[in-house]
This record gives sequence, structure tokens and C-alpha cells, in this order.
Amino acid sequence: EVQVVESGGGLVQPGGSLRLSCAASGFSFNSYWMTWVRQAPGKGLEWVANINQDGSELNYADSVRGRFTISRDNAKNSVFLHMNILRAEDTAVYFCGRNLGYEQLDYWGQGTLVTVSS
Amino acid sequence: EIVLTQSPATLSLSPGERATVSCRASQSVSIPLAWYQQKLGQAPRLLIYDTFKRATGIPTRFSGSGSGTHFTLTISSLEPEDFAVYYCQQLTNFGGGTKVEIK
Repeated sequence: EVQVVESGGGLVQPGGSLRLSCAASGFSFNSYWMTWVRQAPGKGLEWVANINQDGSELNYADSVRGRFTISRDNAKNSVFLHMNILRAEDTAVYFCGRNLGYEQLDYWGQGTLVTVSS
Repeated sequence: EIVLTQSPATLSLSPGERATVSCRASQSVSIPLAWYQQKLGQAPRLLIYDTFKRATGIPTRFSGSGSGTHFTLTISSLEPEDFAVYYCQQLTNFGGGTKVEIK
């Protein structure tokens, strides 16, 4: 059974940092691109970043480029989102998903909430 | 950047009725489109990928169609569990969502 589980969210002050983790199981992890998507409270979905199978290709939304870094550890079947210089507008539930191709995500985790507030 | 515009924002229907959700792209690109369903407090669920293919386990009452700049998600006969928010997606762009609510 394919499973994706995010962790690492929490309350952080503006300007602070946080690292999100996404643990995957039930599929050949190193065969798939992985993607992070976020959803601010009461709002729609926003694509954040993706990473290719071996971690050599990374892409970011304009809103996070230069502040967030996506990475993966294929030995641990995990993908990470390192978030720096956090802003109030980064407050959201962050979802990790398996990328079927063209950013179409066929398996999602339950999400982890990041709250940026003083 | 492609902008996806969904309509209507809210669709009020009764169980058993047909639901049609529209997704219009600001430009035509030869890139497949996906549809997701999201219920309150849950992660999105992939319904349709590659514009018209049903994801694993998705009932046949859900169908996707379209090309170019106009795409449609159709639910042929609404079941109680179908009342939710629906999003279209093309690459890194999501539509604003359509809420299908009980009339």
C-alpha cells in the first residue's frame, strides 16, 4: 500500500526556519518525482516545489524561491522541505505528493500545519 | 504563467443530479490536466489525470474531457459523498476551486 506521511510542522516566529519531512512507502521511491503543495487556511492549493528522482533537478514557486530548499534521501525514502526566512503568508498546511508526471499527484499525505506568527 | 479559471465558484445541486465543473486555461498548451476532490480537513484526492483518465478506485460517474483551453469535470449522478471542493490543475497551476454543495 502506498503511503506518504508528512511531519515537522509547528509554530515558528517570522524570520525563523523549519524543516518538513515526508516519508514514503509502498512504492519504488527513487523512480518518482516528488512535489510539495500548500494550502493557506480557507484558501486554495498552491504548488511549492518539486524534485526529480535523483535530486539533481529542483524547481520552486516564485513565492518561495531563495527561501525554501527541497531535497531527498532515497536511502530513507524521504523528501524534505527546508524553509527559511518564514513569513506570515507561509502559514499553511503543507502536503507532500507522489508525482505521476506533469505534476499530477496520485498519492498525498495528510499534511502538516505550519503557522508563522509572533 | 498559465492561469486556470474554474466556474462556477459554487454549484448547488441535489443528490442524483448531474454536476458540470468548468476549467478554462489562459493559454492553450499541450499539457494534460488533472482534477482533484477535497473534503474538509482532508488531503486532495486525484480523480482524473491526463485530462480524461480516471485514477485508481475512482467511480465511473466521474469523467473528464476537454482540450486546448477548455476542460470539464462531469459527475453524472451525484452521490452524498461527492459534495466537496473540486480543483483543476495543469503543471504548477491550480484553479481556484469549485464547491459542490447540497441544494
